[in-house]
Amino acid sequence: QMQLVQSGAEVKKPGASVRVSCKASGFTFTDYFIHWVRQAPGQGLEWMGWVNPNSGGSHFPQKFQGRVTMIRDTFINTAYLELTGLKSDDTAVYYCAREDATKDAFDIWGRGTMVTVSS
Amino acid sequence: EIVLTQSPGTLSLSPGERATLSCRASQSVSSTYLAWYQQKPGQAPRLLMYGASSRATGIPDRFSGSGSGTDFTLTISRLEPEDFAVYYCQQYGSSLYTFGQGTKLEIK
Repeated sequence: QMQLVQSGAEVKKPGASVRVSCKASGFTFTDYFIHWVRQAPGQGLEWMGWVNPNSGGSHFPQKFQGRVTMIRDTFINTAYLELTGLKSDDTAVYYCAREDATKDAFDIWGRGTMVTVSS
Repeated sequence: EIVLTQSPGTLSLSPGERATLSCRASQSVSSTYLAWYQQKPGQAPRLLMYGASSRATGIPDRFSGSGSGTDFTLTISRLEPEDFAVYYCQQYGSSLYTFGQGTKLEIK
């Protein structure tokens, strides 16, 4: 079945970097943009950007410029989110999600990766 | 950036009742780019509606969406026990996606 499988929980110190992976299966990876969305504990959803697995291009809001990298490896159908300069308010569950361009919505989501930033 | 404001913050209803959730945008949103998601505790969000009024695959017809411009509504005609969750609206515009802050639908 179509799914996105994410990597396991991470604990990082302030100032460190984290890399979260998102492996796609059951569909053609290069046909769909992959988005990243995070959710701080008890809070709402925050969109972080997208990567185009076909071209490798990415786009994210100004807030994350300089701290976020979104890349993909088409040989293993995996997208990656890298976040640098971690702060305590980066503590959140990070989700990857597939965009269905015919719906302009995110139709398949990973289960999420908990990233905890603590000294 | 378009800001989405959802109301109410919390809605307390009983199974069998009708739920009406509101999503208001700070500027006009194309209906094509308005979606609703349901999230239960410990789970990822699930797509409910897209294009403001189209149900996603597998979503029962007690869920319906409507609206245009700056005002959108998600309606659940008769609440089932599994419908109690948090609901988020989402929009795409000017190359950015934003989510509303969510409405928690709780059992009264």
